[in-house]
Amino acid sequence: DQQVKQNSPSLSVQEGRISILNCDYTNSMFDYFLWYKKYPAEGPTFLISISSIKDKNEDGRFTVFLNKSAKHLSLHIVPSQPGDSAVYFCAASTTLTGTASKLTFGTGTRLQVTL
Amino acid sequence: DAGITQSPRHKVTETGTPVTLRCHQTENHRYMYWYRQDPGHGLRLIHYSYGVKDTDKGEVSDGYSVSRSKTEDFLLTLESATSSQTSVYFCAISETGQYNEQFFGPGTRLTVL
Repeated sequence: DQQVKQNSPSLSVQEGRISILNCDYTNSMFDYFLWYKKYPAEGPTFLISISSIKDKNEDGRFTVFLNKSAKHLSLHIVPSQPGDSAVYFCAASTTLTGTASKLTFGTGTRLQVTL
Repeated sequence: DAGITQSPRHKVTETGTPVTLRCHQTENHRYMYWYRQDPGHGLRLIHYSYGVKDTDKGEVSDGYSVSRSKTEDFLLTLESATSSQTSVYFCAISETGQYNEQFFGPGTRLTVL
């Protein structure tokens, strides 16, 4: 049962335009959400996060929006650049033993930014 | 970049052999995690540690064990490797537990023949 879903396996956007990546979740216990970017043969790199008590967080070209009632979050990249081409993972956090946190990941969306 | 290294980076082994993967950090972070990445599944948590000698199971822990005898090292052992354990393994660390990002190592690609 996939608790975090990224329904678009791929997305192609022109350089300079907005990229919008979407993520849906089913577990109401998720209290923190993150986006990671991954290049081939590298580990995921943290991009931006948002707490469940907020509905928006911005960091430079990246903005994450959270709609708790719809259990939906999205990542906006404006303007998109060729270096943004990568696989983007949405992740949701729950608390474990010893206050560690488990990240539940979506299956990723491959973003290609074209010239 | 967070100081996380994983060794080996690539390994090919045969079914039934034991395998140990190492994660080493220089950040002195308390929390360490092992994930595996497979097509169609994203990353899934195998085991995690919330302190030296404090470990617990994640969602896909069968066939794996871990040990953490010092802050900087977290070992993942496949007691008897199977072909279903062919995967890319990522170690992650975080300074605090809740409401905090995890930083990932470069990964180990393991192939079990």
